[in-house]
Amino acid sequence: GAVVSQHPSRVICKSGTSVKIECRSLDFQATTMFWYRQFPKQSLMLMATSNEGSKATYEQGVEKDKFLINHASLTLSTLTVTSAHPEDSSFYICSARKGTDFYEQYFGPGTRLTVT
Amino acid sequence: GQNIDQPTEMTATEGAIVQINCTYQTSGFNGLFWYQQHAGEAPTFLSYNVLDGLEEKGRFSSFLSRSKGYSYLLLKELQMKDSASYLCAVMDSNYQLIWGAGTKLIIKP
Repeated sequence: GAVVSQHPSRVICKSGTSVKIECRSLDFQATTMFWYRQFPKQSLMLMATSNEGSKATYEQGVEKDKFLINHASLTLSTLTVTSAHPEDSSFYICSARKGTDFYEQYFGPGTRLTVT
Repeated sequence: GQNIDQPTEMTATEGAIVQINCTYQTSGFNGLFWYQQHAGEAPTFLSYNVLDGLEEKGRFSSFLSRSKGYSYLLLKELQMKDSASYLCAVMDSNYQLIWGAGTKLIIKP
Protein backbone atom coordinates (compact mmCIF):
# COMPACT_ATOMS: atom_id res chain seq x y z
CA GLY A 1 0.00 0.00 0.00
CA ALA A 2 0.84 3.66 0.06
CA VAL A 3 -0.64 5.38 3.06
CA VAL A 4 -0.24 9.04 3.90
CA SER A 5 -1.38 10.44 7.23
CA GLN A 6 -1.94 14.01 8.35
CA HIS A 7 -2.12 15.42 11.82
CA PRO A 8 -4.18 17.06 13.11
CA SER A 9 -7.33 16.35 11.13
CA ARG A 10 -8.99 19.47 12.48
CA VAL A 11 -7.57 22.49 14.26
CA ILE A 12 -8.99 25.75 15.49
CA CYS A 13 -6.59 28.54 16.34
CA LYS A 14 -6.80 32.19 17.21
CA SER A 15 -5.83 34.92 14.80
CA GLY A 16 -2.13 35.78 15.07
CA THR A 17 -1.01 32.38 16.30
CA SER A 18 0.87 29.70 14.37
CA VAL A 19 -0.19 26.15 13.66
CA LYS A 20 1.82 23.20 12.39
CA ILE A 21 0.41 20.43 10.21
CA GLU A 22 2.30 17.16 9.79
CA CYS A 23 2.24 14.90 6.77
CA ARG A 24 3.72 11.42 7.02
CA SER A 25 4.16 8.61 4.52
CA LEU A 26 3.59 5.52 6.64
CA ASP A 27 4.78 2.66 4.48
CA PHE A 28 6.98 4.18 1.82
CA GLN A 29 9.67 6.78 1.32
CA ALA A 30 8.33 9.96 -0.22
CA THR A 31 10.90 11.63 -2.41
CA THR A 32 8.52 14.50 -3.09
CA MET A 33 5.64 15.90 -1.08
CA PHE A 34 3.06 18.42 -2.17
CA TRP A 35 0.95 20.80 -0.15
CA TYR A 36 -2.45 21.88 -1.44
CA ARG A 37 -5.11 24.22 -0.17
CA GLN A 38 -8.77 23.85 -1.01
CA PHE A 39 -11.45 26.45 -0.35
CA PRO A 40 -15.12 25.39 -0.25
CA LYS A 41 -16.50 24.36 -3.62
CA GLN A 42 -13.16 25.00 -5.30
CA SER A 43 -10.49 22.74 -6.64
CA LEU A 44 -7.13 21.97 -5.16
CA MET A 45 -4.57 24.74 -5.37
CA LEU A 46 -0.95 23.66 -5.22
CA MET A 47 0.91 25.73 -2.63
CA ALA A 48 4.37 24.21 -2.75
CA THR A 49 6.44 21.21 -3.69
CA SER A 50 9.10 19.90 -1.37
CA ASN A 51 11.88 17.41 -1.87
CA GLU A 52 13.59 15.80 1.09
CA GLY A 53 16.54 17.78 2.31
CA SER A 54 16.03 20.79 0.08
CA LYS A 55 14.02 23.98 0.19
CA ALA A 56 10.43 23.91 -0.93
CA THR A 57 9.39 25.40 -4.24
CA TYR A 58 6.44 27.71 -3.74
CA GLU A 59 3.79 28.50 -6.30
CA GLN A 60 3.29 32.06 -7.41
CA GLY A 61 1.28 34.04 -4.91
CA VAL A 62 2.08 31.79 -1.94
CA GLU A 63 4.04 33.60 0.76
CA LYS A 64 6.99 31.45 1.78
CA ASP A 65 7.46 33.35 5.03
CA LYS A 66 3.89 32.73 6.01
CA PHE A 67 3.64 29.09 4.99
CA LEU A 68 6.80 27.42 6.23
CA ILE A 69 7.47 23.99 4.80
CA ASN A 70 10.04 21.58 6.15
CA HIS A 71 10.75 18.21 4.55
CA ALA A 72 13.30 16.91 7.01
CA SER A 73 13.08 13.23 6.20
CA LEU A 74 11.78 10.88 3.51
CA THR A 75 8.66 10.22 5.56
CA LEU A 76 7.78 13.57 7.10
CA SER A 77 6.92 17.03 5.84
CA THR A 78 5.45 19.83 7.91
CA LEU A 79 3.53 22.95 6.98
CA THR A 80 3.46 25.77 9.51
CA VAL A 81 0.95 28.55 9.01
CA THR A 82 2.44 31.54 10.80
CA SER A 83 0.49 34.51 12.11
CA ALA A 84 -2.73 32.93 10.96
CA HIS A 85 -5.66 35.05 9.83
CA PRO A 86 -9.30 34.09 9.27
CA GLU A 87 -8.72 34.08 5.51
CA ASP A 88 -6.23 31.25 6.01
CA SER A 89 -9.11 29.04 7.11
CA SER A 90 -9.18 26.24 4.58
CA PHE A 91 -8.73 22.54 3.94
CA TYR A 92 -5.03 21.72 3.67
CA ILE A 93 -4.09 18.48 1.94
CA CYS A 94 -0.69 16.93 1.47
CA SER A 95 0.28 14.30 -1.04
CA ALA A 96 3.39 12.25 -1.53
CA ARG A 97 5.12 10.67 -4.45
CA LYS A 98 7.14 7.48 -4.22
CA GLY A 99 10.52 7.39 -5.85
CA THR A 100 9.40 4.56 -8.11
CA ASP A 101 5.86 5.83 -8.82
CA PHE A 102 6.54 9.05 -10.56
CA TYR A 103 3.07 9.57 -11.93
CA GLU A 104 0.91 8.91 -8.93
CA GLN A 105 0.40 11.03 -5.86
CA TYR A 106 -0.92 9.54 -2.64
CA PHE A 107 -3.08 11.92 -0.67
CA GLY A 108 -3.35 12.44 3.02
CA PRO A 109 -6.81 12.78 4.59
CA GLY A 110 -6.52 16.56 4.89
CA THR A 111 -6.53 19.05 7.75
CA ARG A 112 -9.39 21.47 8.33
CA LEU A 113 -7.98 24.72 9.69
CA THR A 114 -10.29 27.30 11.21
CA VAL A 115 -8.84 30.61 12.33
CA THR A 116 -11.04 32.63 14.65
CA GLY B 1 -2.16 29.67 -19.92
CA GLN B 2 -3.17 26.31 -18.62
CA ASN B 3 -6.83 25.50 -18.38
CA ILE B 4 -9.00 22.55 -17.46
CA ASP B 5 -12.77 22.71 -17.90
CA GLN B 6 -15.40 20.41 -16.50
CA PRO B 7 -19.05 20.95 -15.65
CA THR B 8 -19.73 22.35 -12.21
CA GLU B 9 -22.55 20.01 -11.30
CA MET B 10 -24.44 17.05 -12.72
CA THR B 11 -27.43 15.08 -11.53
CA ALA B 12 -28.18 11.45 -12.31
CA THR B 13 -30.45 8.66 -11.14
CA GLU B 14 -29.43 5.63 -9.13
CA GLY B 15 -28.76 2.69 -11.45
CA ALA B 16 -28.22 4.89 -14.49
CA ILE B 17 -25.07 5.89 -16.42
CA VAL B 18 -23.41 9.30 -16.33
CA GLN B 19 -20.56 10.77 -18.36
CA ILE B 20 -18.44 13.59 -16.95
CA ASN B 21 -16.46 15.49 -19.56
CA CYS B 22 -13.15 17.27 -19.19
CA THR B 23 -11.35 19.44 -21.74
CA TYR B 24 -7.85 20.72 -21.22
CA GLN B 25 -5.19 23.05 -22.57
CA THR B 26 -1.84 22.60 -20.88
CA SER B 27 1.84 23.15 -21.54
CA GLY B 28 2.82 19.59 -22.27
CA PHE B 29 1.02 16.41 -21.40
CA ASN B 30 2.14 13.52 -19.24
CA GLY B 31 -1.20 11.94 -18.57
CA LEU B 32 -4.67 12.70 -17.29
CA PHE B 33 -6.05 11.64 -13.92
CA TRP B 34 -9.52 11.33 -12.50
CA TYR B 35 -10.02 11.54 -8.75
CA GLN B 36 -13.10 11.15 -6.59
CA GLN B 37 -13.52 13.44 -3.61
CA HIS B 38 -16.24 13.12 -1.00
CA ALA B 39 -17.08 16.25 0.96
CA GLY B 40 -14.51 16.98 3.65
CA GLU B 41 -12.18 14.23 2.51
CA ALA B 42 -9.05 14.04 0.40
CA PRO B 43 -9.20 12.92 -3.25
CA THR B 44 -8.91 9.24 -4.06
CA PHE B 45 -7.39 8.00 -7.30
CA LEU B 46 -9.75 6.58 -9.93
CA SER B 47 -7.88 6.40 -13.21
CA TYR B 48 -4.88 7.44 -15.27
CA ASN B 49 -4.83 7.78 -19.07
CA VAL B 50 -1.76 8.63 -21.09
CA LEU B 51 -2.64 6.99 -24.40
CA ASP B 52 -5.75 7.54 -26.49
CA GLY B 53 -8.61 5.22 -25.85
CA LEU B 54 -10.82 3.78 -23.19
CA GLU B 55 -9.64 2.31 -19.90
CA GLU B 56 -12.22 0.24 -18.07
CA LYS B 57 -12.09 -0.52 -14.39
CA GLY B 58 -15.22 -2.08 -13.00
CA ARG B 59 -18.13 0.37 -13.04
CA PHE B 60 -15.83 3.24 -13.96
CA SER B 61 -14.25 3.89 -17.36
CA SER B 62 -12.09 6.75 -18.56
CA PHE B 63 -11.51 7.88 -22.11
CA LEU B 64 -8.81 10.09 -23.58
CA SER B 65 -8.33 11.86 -26.90
CA ARG B 66 -5.05 13.75 -26.86
CA SER B 67 -5.63 15.36 -30.26
CA LYS B 68 -8.88 16.86 -28.99
CA GLY B 69 -7.64 17.68 -25.49
CA TYR B 70 -10.62 15.76 -24.17
CA SER B 71 -11.41 13.11 -21.63
CA TYR B 72 -14.48 11.69 -19.99
CA LEU B 73 -15.23 9.59 -16.97
CA LEU B 74 -18.09 7.15 -17.39
CA LEU B 75 -19.85 5.80 -14.33
CA LYS B 76 -22.22 2.87 -14.77
CA GLU B 77 -24.83 1.35 -12.45
CA LEU B 78 -24.76 4.43 -10.29
CA GLN B 79 -25.01 3.97 -6.55
CA MET B 80 -25.86 6.55 -3.92
CA LYS B 81 -22.29 6.35 -2.61
CA ASP B 82 -21.07 7.69 -5.97
CA SER B 83 -22.37 11.12 -4.95
CA ALA B 84 -19.14 13.09 -4.77
CA SER B 85 -17.01 15.56 -6.66
CA TYR B 86 -14.99 14.22 -9.55
CA LEU B 87 -11.74 16.00 -10.29
CA CYS B 88 -9.95 15.95 -13.62
CA ALA B 89 -6.22 16.67 -13.44
CA VAL B 90 -3.54 16.83 -16.14
CA MET B 91 0.15 16.28 -15.55
CA ASP B 92 2.03 18.92 -17.50
CA SER B 93 5.53 18.94 -18.98
CA ASN B 94 6.99 19.69 -15.53
CA TYR B 95 5.20 16.66 -14.07
CA GLN B 96 2.95 18.92 -12.03
CA LEU B 97 -0.75 18.23 -11.70
CA ILE B 98 -3.04 20.92 -13.04
CA TRP B 99 -6.48 20.52 -11.48
CA GLY B 100 -9.94 21.19 -12.80
CA ALA B 101 -12.49 22.75 -10.48
CA GLY B 102 -14.32 19.46 -10.10
CA THR B 103 -17.78 18.23 -11.02
CA LYS B 104 -20.23 17.69 -8.20
CA LEU B 105 -22.28 14.61 -9.00
CA ILE B 106 -25.65 14.30 -7.29
CA ILE B 107 -27.32 10.89 -7.37
CA LYS B 108 -31.07 10.76 -6.87
CA PRO B 109 -32.98 7.63 -5.90
